[in-house]
Amino acid sequence: EAQVTQNPRYLITVTGKKLTVTCSQNMNHEYMSWYRQDPGLGLRQIYYSMNVEVTDKGDVPEGYKVSRKEKRNFPLILESPSPNQTSLYFCASSFTGGNEQFFGPGTRLTVL
Amino acid sequence: EDKVVQSPLSLVVHEGDTVTLNCSYEVTNFRSLLWYKQEKKAPTFLFMLTSSGIEKKSGRLSSILDKKELFSILNITATQTGDSAIYLCALIIQGAQKLVFGQGTRLTINP
Repeated sequence: EAQVTQNPRYLITVTGKKLTVTCSQNMNHEYMSWYRQDPGLGLRQIYYSMNVEVTDKGDVPEGYKVSRKEKRNFPLILESPSPNQTSLYFCASSFTGGNEQFFGPGTRLTVL
Repeated sequence: EDKVVQSPLSLVVHEGDTVTLNCSYEVTNFRSLLWYKQEKKAPTFLFMLTSSGIEKKSGRLSSILDKKELFSILNITATQTGDSAIYLCALIIQGAQKLVFGQGTRLTINP
């Protein structure tokens, strides 16, 4: 089944404890992206990747890192999480940057 | 700054009603406008609009883009309780390949 998977789906952590949220797609998509969704603010793009080893900042990249070493994986890294990074995170992918994106199931992160 | 504004932010109607959701934008150069439906989980793709004036249709849902007046509408006819969701509008920015979302419209269909 064609899909985007994310892990973990739920995570509660404490301020400053490094964490990684994984994202994987099995559709051979070139483009992958991370979003956060907050009430009243909608979905905001954190980082995106046009292809392997090519990443770029979205609208809210501060406090996040990404890497794209393989086409199928696009992990989101929070080196030192803070409470304002408590949010619902979505990974998405598409064939290219100009196509509709398919979303993963979401990761609900709480930083205490 | 690229901006996408959806209205209304919230809408409550009765089953069987027809609704029109609006998406206006202040974006200088974009490739396409997308509509997504989000229920309790991930957004699911509905439509991609690239050309002005051409209606896209899928069952009871339809959408059209007006590049001159800088807006798009999503119509849902004969609404059902299963249409209750947040509807998201987004633009793919030309060149940067970024996706910019509006705040979404929360639609509630009462039986």
